[in-house]
Amino acid sequence: DTEVTQTPKHLVMGMTNKKSLKCEQHMGHRAMYWYKQKAKKPPELMFVYSYEKLSINESVPSRFSPECPNSSLLNLHLHALQPEDSALYLCASSQVRAQPQHFGDGTRLSIL
Amino acid sequence: DAKTTQPTSMDCAEGRAANLPCNHSTISGNEYVYWYRQIHSQGPQYIIHGLKNNETNEMASLIITEDRKSSTLILPHATLRDTAVYYCIVRALSNDYKLSFGAGTTVTVRA
Repeated sequence: DTEVTQTPKHLVMGMTNKKSLKCEQHMGHRAMYWYKQKAKKPPELMFVYSYEKLSINESVPSRFSPECPNSSLLNLHLHALQPEDSALYLCASSQVRAQPQHFGDGTRLSIL
Repeated sequence: DAKTTQPTSMDCAEGRAANLPCNHSTISGNEYVYWYRQIHSQGPQYIIHGLKNNETNEMASLIITEDRKSSTLILPHATLRDTAVYYCIVRALSNDYKLSFGAGTTVTVRA
């Protein structure tokens, strides 16, 4: 069982919809991450939050908007996505800096 | 972070040891070797990491050559549930948060 919980597990949305992905951890980790994984490809980093502040944005389009309301929660707000944004979105957390990251099982997103 | 090279795929027999190689010939002195795996339909799972000494935990052993240019992840008694993509990642402590996944090795454990 993963200690990082992501909801929903599956999401289908139209290109004009607004939706949010949620991630929660209760390990006391102070760094949280969003990754995107296309089919048969490795995960790619999107965003990093450290102590609830955005510290890395890997040049992600503005239609993806991250939010860290508190140290246990991480959201990814989605708006006006494109079909090529269909992917598995993974959340991870870690103690700060170079500690191992713990991943959730992801949200599988399909854009119609 | 240094680039890694892994075989695309490998098979191993259930109950036998699985030895997964990784080349990282450009590794720097402050870079660690991390191993993760991703079982189908799950998120990546941390396995083990090391700097220059061999490491062992409940999941696996990590053997790093003396020159640190390559390493081997050993799953001592592979089971069908070990079928996954295994990623070898080299990461500097100064690279605070970034984990750069390569293509990995698809390991299939056969009964």
